[in-house]
Amino acid sequence: QQQVKQSPQSLIVQKGGISIINCAYENTAFDYFPWYQQFPGKGPALLIAIRPDVSEKKEGRFTISFNKSAKQFSLHIMDSQPGDSATYFCAASITNRDDKIIFGKGTRLHILP
Amino acid sequence: DGGITQSPKYLFRKEGQNVTLSCEQNLNHDAMYWYRQDPGQGLRLIYYSQIVNDFQKGDIAEGYSVSREKKESFPLTVTSAQKNPTAFYLCASRTSGETQYFGPGTRLLVL
Repeated sequence: QQQVKQSPQSLIVQKGGISIINCAYENTAFDYFPWYQQFPGKGPALLIAIRPDVSEKKEGRFTISFNKSAKQFSLHIMDSQPGDSATYFCAASITNRDDKIIFGKGTRLHILP
Repeated sequence: DGGITQSPKYLFRKEGQNVTLSCEQNLNHDAMYWYRQDPGQGLRLIYYSQIVNDFQKGDIAEGYSVSREKKESFPLTVTSAQKNPTAFYLCASRTSGETQYFGPGTRLLVL
């Protein structure tokens, strides 16, 4: 019940296309859902995050869509660029608990130039 | 300049040797975490600490040890009992309800 399942494991998208990464969770107590971006040899960096009181959050070309009833959330990268090529991790946690953040296993995204 | 620092960037371990990875944060975060990342793999939790002088095992604690004597510091020791230590080690910190931030990582290699 503590798992966050992420798919696909790897993704190849043409430049200018839309990249979509999906995550699903079981624990309904989760109330904070961040996405991290990691470049090779670097630590993950927060990209965008959402709480379940909204169904969508957009920051530039990055959008999180959240479906509370289905317990699913996804990251959409519009107009994907070669510089977006990285590994993306979704995650979930419970506010007011200094406990573990549960991470998905990651998606390796490659944008073709 | 706030953030999380990890040192060294690269670390070499000889057979049977214990090595210690440093993690320092000046974000005044209560909780700190250590993760291991193998090539092309996800993040596996080694140890975490929610408060000074207290820490809990994560999913892969065997062969590792930690201490939390100060709020800003959470060093990780890779002991000789860890037979496959080659990996990228990431430290992170956060305060309750806030985003978790990661350090730049330490790459550990075995000679």
